[in-house]
Amino acid sequence: ETGVTQSPTHLIKTRGQQVTLRCSSQSGHNTVSWYQQALGQGPQFIFQYYREEENGRGNFPPRFSGLQFPNYSSELNVNALELDDSALYLCASSQQGLGYGYTFGSGTRLTVV
Amino acid sequence: DAKTTQPPSMDCAEGRAANLPCNHSTISGNEYVYWYRQIHSQGPQYIIHGLKNNETNEMASLIITEDRKSSTLILPHATLRDTAVYYCIVRFNNAGNMLTFGGGTRLMVKP
Repeated sequence: ETGVTQSPTHLIKTRGQQVTLRCSSQSGHNTVSWYQQALGQGPQFIFQYYREEENGRGNFPPRFSGLQFPNYSSELNVNALELDDSALYLCASSQQGLGYGYTFGSGTRLTVV
Repeated sequence: DAKTTQPPSMDCAEGRAANLPCNHSTISGNEYVYWYRQIHSQGPQYIIHGLKNNETNEMASLIITEDRKSSTLILPHATLRDTAVYYCIVRFNNAGNMLTFGGGTRLMVKP
């Protein structure tokens, strides 16, 4: 059973640029969610996808967007990058409704300069 | 989701039991208590969850008080590899619900 894999592991972007982060869900999981973790803080929920549709969103602006594909993999897109977007971005997959814990990837470390 | 309160840090001697408390006094009847931990430079890792009864798995035990307003995660024989930030989360166990992380407890296991 494979876990959640994220790519790339590290990324440096310039303010104003756009970035796409990728996530492959754990086998058998049909829900994927994304979290932002600033240094020294707990992860903050960005949004969640189930069956290719967004079914939950945290307090993040529209320049944070996502996609879920038929194979349950996912992308997080961030437009017009700001310095405060520098963080660890975590992807988590789960099997919705079964009470299982979420399985997290190791994250993508994004630095905006 | 109900909010949780955890001590910011704790120390534990290697080989001893680590008891991590969590207060969730506003928990509602259908909310579960989840515990995750995050080892440095990794994503959070699911440990255990429960509703009312005490739970045990290969990683830990979860003790929930009868009024469900607090719980304790027990690592029975802490090792250096258990050094991590431990998060207590309460959530409804239904579709579309997210995990709301607080500050967690930074557990340092010392030799």
